[in-house]
Amino acid sequence: QLQLQESGPGLVKPSETLSLTCTVSGGSISTSTYYWGWIRQPPGKGLEWIGSIYYSGSTYYNPSLKSRVTISVDTSKFSLKLSSVTAADTAVYYCARLAGVGGDYADYWGQGTLVTVSS
Amino acid sequence: QSALTQPPSASGSPGQSVTISCTGTSSDVGGYNYVSWYQQHPGKAPKLMIYEVSKRPSGVPDRFSGSKSGNTASLTVSGLQAEDEADYYCNSYAGSNNLGVFGGGTKLTVL
Repeated sequence: QLQLQESGPGLVKPSETLSLTCTVSGGSISTSTYYWGWIRQPPGKGLEWIGSIYYSGSTYYNPSLKSRVTISVDTSKFSLKLSSVTAADTAVYYCARLAGVGGDYADYWGQGTLVTVSS
Repeated sequence: QSALTQPPSASGSPGQSVTISCTGTSSDVGGYNYVSWYQQHPGKAPKLMIYEVSKRPSGVPDRFSGSKSGNTASLTVSGLQAEDEADYYCNSYAGSNNLGVFGGGTKLTVL
């Protein structure tokens, strides 16, 4: 059974860089079948795509975050870096496996991790 | 891309059917048969309920069904049960070199 687990600091200071890792177990991340993505959800609000990555390293970013986002992939994990954070970046961050054409749907999700931006 | 449009709320009594709409444009919902729906209970991660407009993942009850007409996709929950009370989000593919786009979410209440 595929499992995804987010990890990283739960508190980040304004203007600093948020860094999260998603560890994938029970399956290979190095497969041409899937993309791997990051999605966030501010408290009480809806879901927002941050970006996705293919095993080859090709990335797709939300245009509204593109200048601040970097997603990378390793053997069994993929990572998110979001720079120059503000309070508006406070959210639950989810990692997910993306299946289908161009990774059009998320079939496995991590449990999510709350990141608070505050001094 | 702009977010897909969903009604903020929907409701129905146990045993009834309810339909949640998701309206986009010809660049997303209307242009591709790649709409997915997610169920989210409070404090939990979203769960895939429907993909590629009308396909159900293994383990999802057949009470959940999806359809699409033009730029609007719909999720129908038949035979409502108390456990169906949750937030529901639609998502659509928006073409290569683009991430998908989510709807704003609909809170389904079982009366």
